[in-house]
Amino acid sequence: SQTIHQWPATLVQPVGSPLSLECTVEGTSNPNLYWYRQAAGRGLQLLFYSVGIGQISSEVPQNLSASRPQDRQFILSSKKLLLSDSGFYLCAWNLGGGASGYTFGSGTRLTVV
Amino acid sequence: GNSVTQMEGPVTLSEEAFLTINCTYTATGYPSLFWYVQYPGEGLQLLLKATKADDKGSNKGFEATYRKETTSFHLEKGSVQVSDSAVYFCALSNNAGNMLTFGGGTRLMVKP
Repeated sequence: SQTIHQWPATLVQPVGSPLSLECTVEGTSNPNLYWYRQAAGRGLQLLFYSVGIGQISSEVPQNLSASRPQDRQFILSSKKLLLSDSGFYLCAWNLGGGASGYTFGSGTRLTVV
Repeated sequence: GNSVTQMEGPVTLSEEAFLTINCTYTATGYPSLFWYVQYPGEGLQLLLKATKADDKGSNKGFEATYRKETTSFHLEKGSVQVSDSAVYFCALSNNAGNMLTFGGGTRLMVKP
């Protein structure tokens, strides 16, 4: 069966420090991968998506970046965190086709102090 | 473009009350429609879905019917429990693409 892993679950980082969040999917090949951010009490903001290795589309210009070094690995990074980067980061995957929906990871709670 | 509009919360109900969370959408073609639930501190879980007009999705006592004539997919439950307290997201997918479009989410609080 397919599973998605996200880590770490919780992270507290100082302003200006780097960031690396990782997401991996098991049990499938060539998934579409997505990074979302959810600010406190707010809806979902799509940050990046990828349809294949090395293929990254950015939805919102900001100081975050994403990479997909392997088929089932999706990494969210920043060189210097801002206070406004605080939030709940969610990774999701699907195999394409509208009826499949997404499967989400359990999320990472990032607090920038 | 595609869009999803949900009623703003929070929605506060007493246990065993009837729940309706409204969701309307704008999309080209014939999208698939979804409800996701997010319990505190967790990721989103698929609650139910419907892929064509007049389909009814159901799960855990929740149900929603795909109404093309009113472009709606309202979530209902006959008797809510405290454990149903969560944020509920309505979403759609244009079947020609991969991505989902989400509504803003509705927080449900159920009091004993």
